Amino acid sequence: NAGVTQTPKFRVLKTGQSMTLLCAQDMNHEYMYWYRQDPGMGLRLIHYSVGEGTTAKGEVPDGYNVSRLKKQNFLLGLESAAPSQTSVYFCASSYSAADPNRNNEQFFGPGTRLTVL
Amino acid sequence: RKEVEQDPGPFNVPEGATVAFNCTYSNSASQSFFWYRQDCRKEPKLLMSVYSSGNEDGRFTAQLNRASQYISLLIRDSKLSDSATYLCVVNDRGSTLGRLYFGRGTQLTVWP
Repeated sequence: NAGVTQTPKFRVLKTGQSMTLLCAQDMNHEYMYWYRQDPGMGLRLIHYSVGEGTTAKGEVPDGYNVSRLKKQNFLLGLESAAPSQTSVYFCASSYSAADPNRNNEQFFGPGTRLTVL
Repeated sequence: RKEVEQDPGPFNVPEGATVAFNCTYSNSASQSFFWYRQDCRKEPKLLMSVYSSGNEDGRFTAQLNRASQYISLLIRDSKLSDSATYLCVVNDRGSTLGRLYFGRGTQLTVWP
């Protein structure tokens, strides 16, 4: 049981390049999330998904796109990277918030450190 | 106004000390509350949930005051291994997502 995994762990991009971050979970969670964490800013929600085939915008969605084609995977795309997207990106997953037997604890992946030059 | 406010610290305490962190939240409809711990350059991990009646897990005690919209975490007999950033987290279960709102974290360093 690997929990939540993220690839890659580190990446350096040049401005204007594109990339996709992959998140995978093996806990059969309905909900998945992408956050970014910057010094002094805390965790900010980029996009989230409440089930396979669904995605929605979070707090800071601009410049990112996501897809959830399979329940266990949640992809975060940067179409044209900018230096402002230099950050640590965390993926997380949880059971459905509608499940009364769960407390909606989120399980996080180890993070991807992205630098955009 | 941020959903969750925390004193960022840093708190620097000797081993064996008792230290308390506080947090306030703005949405009175919030229904679930947590403390997460984040070690340097690692992902956040759940430390404990916070219940209305207060709860204790070993050296850690969490309290919730709904009337004041205030959450606290008390660490007794601090260990070197407690050094980390502690995130106050609130779940707005009333929304369709039940999304979590994270405070910016309180940094704790325990010195020998």
